[in-house]
Amino acid sequence: SQQGEEDPQALSIQEGENATMNCSYKTSINNLQWYRQNSGRGLVHLILIRSNEREKHSGRLRVTLDTSKKSSSLLITASRAADTASYFCATDRGGDYGQNFVFGPGTRLSVLP
Amino acid sequence: NAGVTQTPKFQVLKTGQSMTLQCAQDMNHEYMSWYRQDPGMGLRLIHYSVGAGITDQGEVPNGYNVSRSTTEDFPLRLLSAAPSQTSVYFCASSYSGGGAGETQYFGPGTRLLVL
Repeated sequence: SQQGEEDPQALSIQEGENATMNCSYKTSINNLQWYRQNSGRGLVHLILIRSNEREKHSGRLRVTLDTSKKSSSLLITASRAADTASYFCATDRGGDYGQNFVFGPGTRLSVLP
Repeated sequence: NAGVTQTPKFQVLKTGQSMTLQCAQDMNHEYMSWYRQDPGMGLRLIHYSVGAGITDQGEVPNGYNVSRSTTEDFPLRLLSAAPSQTSVYFCASSYSGGGAGETQYFGPGTRLLVL
């Protein structure tokens, strides 16, 4: 079963609005990362938050982590058409590389002009 | 730096054919991995390598083979293609692997269609 599950599966908003995506996971983690994938392209790393951090910012991105609820959220403020993409959370449980880095199924974001 | 490169970008195979997906990175990363991406499934790990000469299985290794003779290259071989292997394949690399908070760098992907 997947470690990370994003919610919602798809989100459609108007340009200028904020977009919030959530990620829930099942086991304890070392860190959680968010990636963006533009259509037909590879994934690009956005931001990493460690298990001892509660909030992190990068430009228009704000990530929160609640380890007690095993959940994270990604907020994109003042969205632009160029933010249209799929967003994935990836949980890193540490330890053996191949066994502990797991992606969720993603949230597909559409920002309408 | 070119980062992570993958070839080919797109391939059509017939059932039973074999082929090799190429992946190379020029960042001197020790850790490399292959994922497949299917609709609604996110990315699933096929095989990974923690250094030259060392490979191991991921979540969905059946039907695939890998080798790592150099730090730079990590080819993925499909031994006898099946329609269930129709997918988009991504190669990724990172400097020191999981647990240390390392981000992964992804290639552009290879779209494979097996008829």
